[in-house]
Amino acid sequence: DAGITQSPRHKVTETGTPVTLRCHQTENHRYMYWYRQDPGHGLRLIHYSYGVKDTDKGEVSDGYSVSRSKTEDFLLTLESATSSQTSVYFCAISGGGGNSPLHFGNGTRLTVT
Amino acid sequence: GNSVTQMEGPVTLSEEAFLTINCTYTATGYPSLFWYVQYPGEGLQLLLKATKADDKGSNKGFEATYRKETTSFHLEKGSVQVSDSAVYFCALGTISSGSARQLTFGSGTQLTVLP
Repeated sequence: DAGITQSPRHKVTETGTPVTLRCHQTENHRYMYWYRQDPGHGLRLIHYSYGVKDTDKGEVSDGYSVSRSKTEDFLLTLESATSSQTSVYFCAISGGGGNSPLHFGNGTRLTVT
Repeated sequence: GNSVTQMEGPVTLSEEAFLTINCTYTATGYPSLFWYVQYPGEGLQLLLKATKADDKGSNKGFEATYRKETTSFHLEKGSVQVSDSAVYFCALGTISSGSARQLTFGSGTQLTVLP
């Protein structure tokens, strides 16, 4: 299995509070991604990174920011959490752009009350 | 834009039955196509992939053929097992900024196999 660790695995927070989710990889892969999974929507891309300090927006980026200061870490921040951001968040990594598959972490379940 | 439409679930089969999960896509250019599987409490795992028209991806008895003329990538297995119970996601892959692989997923199909 690809070495991906997401933390925390579960979090409950209140509306309006800031939240940061962490994704740590030990594979030295260039590409990292954050997805959210919601019933009926599959997985939707929030943000991704193609190198240290190189990030771009995905399909559902509003309300989220990311940072990547080291190859191994990709942080997802909800500046002011809302109930619509209750979801399961998955980090994924990939070694190369071409046909390299994405490898997923085990997810973080976030509940915003 | 790109999109993936998957057969709605849930799907319930008896052990040793034949499985088909339909997947069609809309995309510009020539995307790669993937099937991922998710077991309870886990992340997604790549099941198989195909990178060009008429390619057949296969793994663990599952197969899917990239059909450009019908824009489809249906997943099949000849004889399912209880251990195949999971959620299956069809996805198409394109290249974005910095040559990053970007996946667009279908909504997933829950498969339950009964003994």
